[in-house]
Amino acid sequence: GQNIDQPTEMTATEGAIVQINCTYQTSGFNGLFWYQQHAGEAPTFLSYNVLDGLEEKGRFSSFLSRSKGYSYLLLKELQMKDSASYLCAGMDSNYQLIWGAGTKLIIKP
Amino acid sequence: GAVVSQHPSWVICKSGTSVKIECRSLDFQATTMFWYRQFPKQSLMLMATSNEGSKATYEQGVEKDKFLINHASLTLSTLTVTSAHPEDSSFYICSARDVVGLAGFSYEQYFGPGTRLTVT
Repeated sequence: GQNIDQPTEMTATEGAIVQINCTYQTSGFNGLFWYQQHAGEAPTFLSYNVLDGLEEKGRFSSFLSRSKGYSYLLLKELQMKDSASYLCAGMDSNYQLIWGAGTKLIIKP
Repeated sequence: GAVVSQHPSWVICKSGTSVKIECRSLDFQATTMFWYRQFPKQSLMLMATSNEGSKATYEQGVEKDKFLINHASLTLSTLTVTSAHPEDSSFYICSARDVVGLAGFSYEQYFGPGTRLTVT
């Protein structure tokens, strides 16, 4: 079956670095997406990885290892506004997104 | 670019009535649109996938006669919740897929802002 696993909740301190892990199993693979979702709002796109390695985009970076079925989202210099849920989604061979349950990130001052 | 709108943003209706939610891609053509439902503190649940000009494909457990989807054009899809009941109260989100996204990779989904439905 298809499955996306990520931690339910994480807590980090303002200004620090946090890594949110995601493991995936999909039927075929066409990339791994990370989305940010604030409470009561729709998800917004953060990153897309289809090749192995690290993609850096400002304070956010995303990593993919296809052989391990593993990805992580790295958030640096955390700000209070980064408090949100982070959704990991794998795209299968039919170009459908398989969603994880999301990781709620709590930022403390 | 790649903006998706939804209307209405929120709606309150009485049990037994029907509600229509519109999803529009404003600056690109979306051959495929997706409808999701999200209950509080839960992840997105895909309800159905609709392709322009053809019948929607519903996920297992989603009643197609209750959740009517019409994708009449490349920029508009509608979801009608028929005979709504309190258990249908949820956050409904649509997304539209651009074959080649703005960032240059294929099949990225752009999300609308969501519609919060409350059935009393």
